[in-house]
Amino acid sequence: AQSVTQLGSHVSVSEGALVLLRCNYSSSVPPYLFWYVQYPNQGLQLLLKYTSAATLVKGINGFEAEFKKSETSFHLTKPSAHMSDAAEYFCAVSDKGSSNTGKLIFGQGTTLQVKP
Amino acid sequence: GAGVSQSPSNKVTEKGKDVELRCDPISGHTALYWYRQSLGQGLEFLIYFQGNSAPDKSGLPSDRFSAERTGGSVSTLTIQRTQQEDSAVYLCASSLLQGATNEKLFFGSGTQLSVL
Repeated sequence: AQSVTQLGSHVSVSEGALVLLRCNYSSSVPPYLFWYVQYPNQGLQLLLKYTSAATLVKGINGFEAEFKKSETSFHLTKPSAHMSDAAEYFCAVSDKGSSNTGKLIFGQGTTLQVKP
Repeated sequence: GAGVSQSPSNKVTEKGKDVELRCDPISGHTALYWYRQSLGQGLEFLIYFQGNSAPDKSGLPSDRFSAERTGGSVSTLTIQRTQQEDSAVYLCASSLLQGATNEKLFFGSGTQLSVL
Protein backbone atom coordinates (compact mmCIF):
# COMPACT_ATOMS: atom_id res chain seq x y z
CA ALA A 1 0.00 0.00 0.00
CA GLN A 2 1.13 3.50 -0.71
CA SER A 3 2.03 5.80 2.19
CA VAL A 4 3.96 8.94 3.04
CA THR A 5 5.90 9.88 6.13
CA GLN A 6 6.65 13.46 7.03
CA LEU A 7 9.65 13.84 9.26
CA GLY A 8 9.05 16.47 11.89
CA SER A 9 5.62 17.62 12.94
CA HIS A 10 6.95 21.13 13.62
CA VAL A 11 9.67 23.07 11.82
CA SER A 12 10.78 26.54 12.86
CA VAL A 13 12.92 28.83 10.69
CA SER A 14 13.88 32.47 10.72
CA GLU A 15 12.58 34.81 8.07
CA GLY A 16 14.92 34.66 5.07
CA ALA A 17 16.28 31.23 5.96
CA LEU A 18 16.00 28.05 3.90
CA VAL A 19 12.84 26.03 4.32
CA LEU A 20 13.16 22.25 4.14
CA LEU A 21 10.18 20.02 4.83
CA ARG A 22 10.83 16.31 4.54
CA CYS A 23 8.63 13.68 2.97
CA ASN A 24 9.41 10.05 2.27
CA TYR A 25 7.07 7.79 0.40
CA SER A 26 6.38 4.11 0.00
CA SER A 27 4.78 2.95 -3.20
CA SER A 28 4.50 -0.33 -5.10
CA VAL A 29 3.85 1.54 -8.35
CA PRO A 30 5.50 4.62 -9.86
CA PRO A 31 4.20 7.28 -7.53
CA TYR A 32 2.34 10.49 -8.13
CA LEU A 33 3.27 12.85 -5.31
CA PHE A 34 1.81 16.10 -4.04
CA TRP A 35 2.33 18.87 -1.54
CA TYR A 36 -0.69 20.69 -0.17
CA VAL A 37 -0.65 23.72 2.14
CA GLN A 38 -3.20 24.82 4.71
CA TYR A 39 -2.93 28.45 5.75
CA PRO A 40 -4.56 29.46 9.05
CA ASN A 41 -8.34 29.43 8.79
CA GLN A 42 -8.25 28.40 5.14
CA GLY A 43 -8.85 25.18 3.25
CA LEU A 44 -6.07 23.07 1.84
CA GLN A 45 -4.70 24.08 -1.52
CA LEU A 46 -2.34 22.42 -3.96
CA LEU A 47 1.23 23.66 -3.79
CA LEU A 48 2.79 21.39 -6.41
CA LYS A 49 2.65 17.89 -7.84
CA TYR A 50 5.00 15.33 -9.35
CA THR A 51 3.61 13.19 -12.16
CA SER A 52 6.83 11.75 -13.63
CA ALA A 53 7.43 14.50 -16.19
CA ALA A 54 10.36 16.15 -14.40
CA THR A 55 12.05 15.31 -11.13
CA LEU A 56 12.28 18.94 -9.99
CA VAL A 57 8.85 20.42 -9.63
CA LYS A 58 8.16 24.10 -9.10
CA GLY A 59 5.06 25.25 -7.30
CA ILE A 60 3.40 28.40 -6.14
CA ASN A 61 4.95 30.99 -3.83
CA GLY A 62 8.55 30.01 -4.65
CA PHE A 63 8.34 26.45 -3.37
CA GLU A 64 9.81 23.49 -5.18
CA ALA A 65 10.27 19.80 -4.55
CA GLU A 66 12.61 17.20 -5.96
CA PHE A 67 11.63 13.61 -6.58
CA LYS A 68 14.48 11.25 -5.69
CA LYS A 69 13.64 7.66 -6.45
CA SER A 70 16.84 6.29 -4.90
CA GLU A 71 15.95 7.93 -1.61
CA THR A 72 12.15 7.52 -1.95
CA SER A 73 11.90 11.19 -1.04
CA PHE A 74 9.97 14.25 -2.16
CA HIS A 75 11.23 17.03 0.10
CA LEU A 76 9.79 20.53 -0.16
CA THR A 77 12.13 23.52 -0.19
CA LYS A 78 12.10 27.26 -0.46
CA PRO A 79 15.33 29.29 -0.52
CA SER A 80 14.09 32.14 1.65
CA ALA A 81 11.22 31.90 4.12
CA HIS A 82 8.63 34.63 4.38
CA MET A 83 6.35 35.28 7.31
CA SER A 84 3.37 34.45 5.10
CA ASP A 85 4.71 30.91 4.61
CA ALA A 86 3.64 29.98 8.15
CA ALA A 87 1.13 27.18 7.61
CA GLU A 88 0.65 23.45 7.80
CA TYR A 89 2.09 21.45 4.92
CA PHE A 90 0.93 18.02 3.83
CA CYS A 91 2.70 15.56 1.57
CA ALA A 92 0.47 13.11 -0.29
CA VAL A 93 0.72 10.15 -2.65
CA SER A 94 -1.88 8.77 -5.01
CA ASP A 95 -2.74 5.27 -3.87
CA LYS A 96 -2.84 3.94 -7.41
CA GLY A 97 0.04 5.76 -9.00
CA SER A 98 -0.97 7.09 -12.37
CA SER A 99 -4.42 5.55 -12.33
CA ASN A 100 -7.17 8.10 -12.63
CA THR A 101 -9.17 6.33 -9.98
CA GLY A 102 -6.58 6.88 -7.28
CA LYS A 103 -7.30 8.72 -4.08
CA LEU A 104 -4.77 10.78 -2.14
CA ILE A 105 -3.12 9.38 0.94
CA PHE A 106 -1.82 12.20 3.13
CA GLY A 107 0.99 12.40 5.62
CA GLN A 108 0.55 13.66 9.15
CA GLY A 109 1.49 17.21 8.26
CA THR A 110 4.29 19.58 9.24
CA THR A 111 3.59 22.91 10.84
CA LEU A 112 6.00 25.57 9.63
CA GLN A 113 6.71 28.45 11.97
CA VAL A 114 8.56 31.49 10.62
CA LYS A 115 10.23 33.74 13.17
CA PRO A 116 10.96 37.39 12.46
CA GLY B 1 -20.18 30.26 -4.63
CA ALA B 2 -17.13 29.26 -6.59
CA GLY B 3 -15.59 26.93 -4.03
CA VAL B 4 -16.45 23.79 -2.11
CA SER B 5 -18.99 24.64 0.55
CA GLN B 6 -19.44 22.69 3.78
CA SER B 7 -22.08 23.08 6.44
CA PRO B 8 -22.27 23.52 9.29
CA SER B 9 -18.87 25.03 9.95
CA ASN B 10 -19.10 23.96 13.58
CA LYS B 11 -21.19 21.26 15.20
CA VAL B 12 -21.35 20.42 18.87
CA THR B 13 -23.27 17.29 19.79
CA GLU B 14 -23.76 14.94 22.68
CA LYS B 15 -22.32 11.46 22.75
CA GLY B 16 -24.76 9.00 21.21
CA LYS B 17 -26.51 11.48 18.93
CA ASP B 18 -26.48 11.26 15.14
CA VAL B 19 -25.01 14.05 13.00
CA GLU B 20 -25.15 14.94 9.33
CA LEU B 21 -22.46 16.93 7.59
CA ARG B 22 -23.09 18.45 4.19
CA CYS B 23 -20.79 19.15 1.26
CA ASP B 24 -21.58 21.13 -1.88
CA PRO B 25 -18.80 20.50 -4.40
CA ILE B 26 -17.81 22.83 -7.18
CA SER B 27 -20.36 22.63 -9.97
CA GLY B 28 -19.33 20.13 -12.62
CA HIS B 29 -16.79 18.31 -10.47
CA THR B 30 -17.30 14.60 -10.82
CA ALA B 31 -15.10 13.37 -7.98
CA LEU B 32 -15.85 14.03 -4.31
CA TYR B 33 -13.84 13.03 -1.27
CA TRP B 34 -14.31 13.08 2.49
CA TYR B 35 -11.32 13.27 4.80
CA ARG B 36 -11.02 13.61 8.57
CA GLN B 37 -8.39 15.81 10.17
CA SER B 38 -7.51 15.12 13.77
CA LEU B 39 -4.82 16.77 15.83
CA GLY B 40 -1.56 14.96 15.22
CA GLN B 41 -3.19 12.48 12.83
CA GLY B 42 -2.97 14.31 9.54
CA LEU B 43 -5.68 13.78 6.97
CA GLU B 44 -7.41 10.44 7.14
CA PHE B 45 -9.21 9.29 4.00
CA LEU B 46 -12.84 8.31 4.59
CA ILE B 47 -14.72 7.86 1.32
CA TYR B 48 -14.47 8.74 -2.38
CA PHE B 49 -17.23 9.18 -4.96
CA GLN B 50 -16.49 9.18 -8.67
CA GLY B 51 -19.37 9.78 -11.05
CA ASN B 52 -21.76 6.84 -11.15
CA SER B 53 -19.19 4.31 -9.95
CA ALA B 54 -19.56 2.54 -6.65
CA PRO B 55 -17.94 4.69 -3.95
CA ASP B 56 -14.64 3.70 -2.39
CA LYS B 57 -15.61 3.28 1.27
CA SER B 58 -12.37 1.71 2.38
CA GLY B 59 -11.53 4.53 4.79
CA LEU B 60 -14.71 4.59 6.84
CA PRO B 61 -13.63 3.74 10.41
CA SER B 62 -16.77 1.89 11.46
CA ASP B 63 -20.30 1.06 10.35
CA ARG B 64 -21.50 4.11 12.25
CA PHE B 65 -20.17 6.17 9.36
CA SER B 66 -21.95 6.41 6.02
CA ALA B 67 -22.11 8.83 3.14
CA GLU B 68 -24.19 9.40 0.10
CA ARG B 69 -24.02 11.62 -2.90
CA THR B 70 -27.32 12.51 -4.48
CA GLY B 71 -27.59 13.36 -8.15
CA GLY B 72 -23.84 13.40 -8.52
CA SER B 73 -23.59 16.66 -6.62
CA VAL B 74 -24.28 17.29 -2.94
CA SER B 75 -22.92 14.78 -0.45
CA THR B 76 -23.92 14.04 3.13
CA LEU B 77 -21.68 12.31 5.65
CA THR B 78 -23.67 10.76 8.49
CA ILE B 79 -22.22 9.63 11.80
CA GLN B 80 -24.57 7.60 13.96
CA ARG B 81 -24.30 7.25 17.73
CA THR B 82 -21.38 9.67 17.89
CA GLN B 83 -18.45 8.96 20.18
CA GLN B 84 -15.91 11.36 21.62
CA GLU B 85 -13.21 9.96 19.35
CA ASP B 86 -15.27 11.18 16.38
CA SER B 87 -14.36 14.75 17.29
CA ALA B 88 -12.33 16.16 14.40
CA VAL B 89 -12.50 18.45 11.40
CA TYR B 90 -14.28 16.75 8.52
CA LEU B 91 -13.04 17.97 5.16
CA CYS B 92 -14.70 17.60 1.79
CA ALA B 93 -12.88 17.99 -1.51
CA SER B 94 -13.84 17.77 -5.14
CA SER B 95 -12.00 17.52 -8.43
CA LEU B 96 -13.02 18.13 -11.98
CA LEU B 97 -12.22 14.89 -13.69
CA GLN B 98 -11.79 11.33 -12.64
CA GLY B 99 -9.34 11.33 -9.83
CA ALA B 100 -6.62 12.78 -7.70
CA THR B 101 -3.67 12.08 -9.94
CA ASN B 102 -4.33 14.43 -12.82
CA GLU B 103 -6.58 17.00 -11.26
CA LYS B 104 -5.97 18.95 -8.14
CA LEU B 105 -8.37 18.66 -5.26
CA PHE B 106 -10.31 21.69 -4.13
CA PHE B 107 -11.01 21.56 -0.42
CA GLY B 108 -13.77 23.09 1.63
CA SER B 109 -13.10 24.81 4.94
CA GLY B 110 -14.37 21.83 6.87
CA THR B 111 -16.84 21.09 9.64
CA GLN B 112 -15.43 21.11 13.15
CA LEU B 113 -17.26 18.36 15.02
CA SER B 114 -17.11 18.28 18.80
CA VAL B 115 -18.69 15.36 20.64
CA LEU B 116 -19.23 16.05 24.34
